[in-house]
Amino acid sequence: AQSVTQLGSHVSVSEGALVLLRCNYSSSVPPYLFWYVQYPNQGLQLLLKYTTGATLVKGINGFEAEFKKSETSFHLTKPSAHMSDAAEYFCAVTPDRGSTLGRLYFGRGTQLTVWP
Amino acid sequence: DVKVTQSSRYLVKRTGEKVFLECVQDMDHENMFWYRQDPGLGLRLIYFSYDVKMKEKGDIPEGYSVSREKKERFSLILESASTNQTSMYLCASSPLRKAASGQETQYFGPGTRLLVL
Repeated sequence: AQSVTQLGSHVSVSEGALVLLRCNYSSSVPPYLFWYVQYPNQGLQLLLKYTTGATLVKGINGFEAEFKKSETSFHLTKPSAHMSDAAEYFCAVTPDRGSTLGRLYFGRGTQLTVWP
Repeated sequence: DVKVTQSSRYLVKRTGEKVFLECVQDMDHENMFWYRQDPGLGLRLIYFSYDVKMKEKGDIPEGYSVSREKKERFSLILESASTNQTSMYLCASSPLRKAASGQETQYFGPGTRLLVL
């Protein structure tokens, strides 16, 4: 069974500080990997995704993530946090590259708080 | 822009009622999904559909059913609502995956927050 682990259900940073949200997955083959963000009272919005090619992926709002196969990780970073980054972040994987269904397995989410 | 709409943002129902949650997407996507979101549990897949009149159970289908009579519309049905179905329900859609092109991006609706009393 696929699993996605997000370390830390809550992360707090000061405005301007580095944001690091951790995601590890279990998969027998390299999956497709995603980060979604959910602002209060909204649905999920894609931040970035890794499919093939370059392992450092850049997304919207200054976020980026690096796929590390040896560590089975896909951590999300942003060099300098902004108040508007406060939201819940979800890591997700599509484990089966042979499938056309594209179902995702989500982690439990990390709530990011940004202090002024 | 892809648009996924859900019929209600907030819904209050009584225990035992039959509840319909509607989802419509305007991008001609083949795949559609229903999730429920609960604090600390993330998103859990209830049902998904990859074609009209086709459906597959997700991880937590008990107490739910779905209907997909038209490609753009995917309905979630709570046959007899119970208090433990109080939750946020999210609908998503995605195009049919093409090999090696990474088409699995799912597009989400704004969610329906359901309260069952």
